[in-house]
Amino acid sequence: DAGITQSPRHKVTETGTPVTLRCHQTENHRYMYWYRQDPGHGLRLIHYSYGVKDTDKGEVSDGYSVSRSKTEDFLLTLESATSSQTSVYFCASGTGANNYGYTFGSGTRLTVV
Amino acid sequence: DAKTTQPPSMDCAEGRAANLPCNHSTISGNEYVYWYRQIHSQGPQYIIHGLKNNETNEMASLIITEDRKSSTLILPHATLRDTAVYYCIVRVPGGANSKLTFGKGITLSVRP
Repeated sequence: DAGITQSPRHKVTETGTPVTLRCHQTENHRYMYWYRQDPGHGLRLIHYSYGVKDTDKGEVSDGYSVSRSKTEDFLLTLESATSSQTSVYFCASGTGANNYGYTFGSGTRLTVV
Repeated sequence: DAKTTQPPSMDCAEGRAANLPCNHSTISGNEYVYWYRQIHSQGPQYIIHGLKNNETNEMASLIITEDRKSSTLILPHATLRDTAVYYCIVRVPGGANSKLTFGKGITLSVRP
């Protein structure tokens, strides 16, 4: 969906460097989420946000931080990237209402070497 | 702590109906059943959701048993482009803790 975009689409970085992934949505959704997807694990929730400046941890939050200073942007930061953080990262957004599903971005493929 | 159980895979012939089962025997009264699919590492795509009544949209139909312990997603006329991983998820919508928790899903292969 054009309503949610992730950048960059691909990134290769070195171990120990900081990395920030960006998620931008134009749907005015209140809720935003970051997932990672690895073979054998499916999609796992890293962090989520339920409003500007309101964020909370998901099931695999260690090594990640997030920020949401505007409704439309949700940033995921790896403070010091490790090889175990090589993954495909997906962002999602939603209204939270019971008649609406989430919209997912196309993903960011991150490789930490 | 998966709330849903799905077979790992199934296939069907192109043009035929694909019936994807899901077991959610511990579903709570206020939890909805959601279906998403993921085509070849793209972002998951919302398909349909329901509480207790059967639902239909332009993509699929959702049949929920009367006791709500299981459901079936029906793709009425499967095409090769429907080959994907399909996720069945139960969730209480709304609120800060309303999150989608994905299991391993079922891989549907549509054969020519």
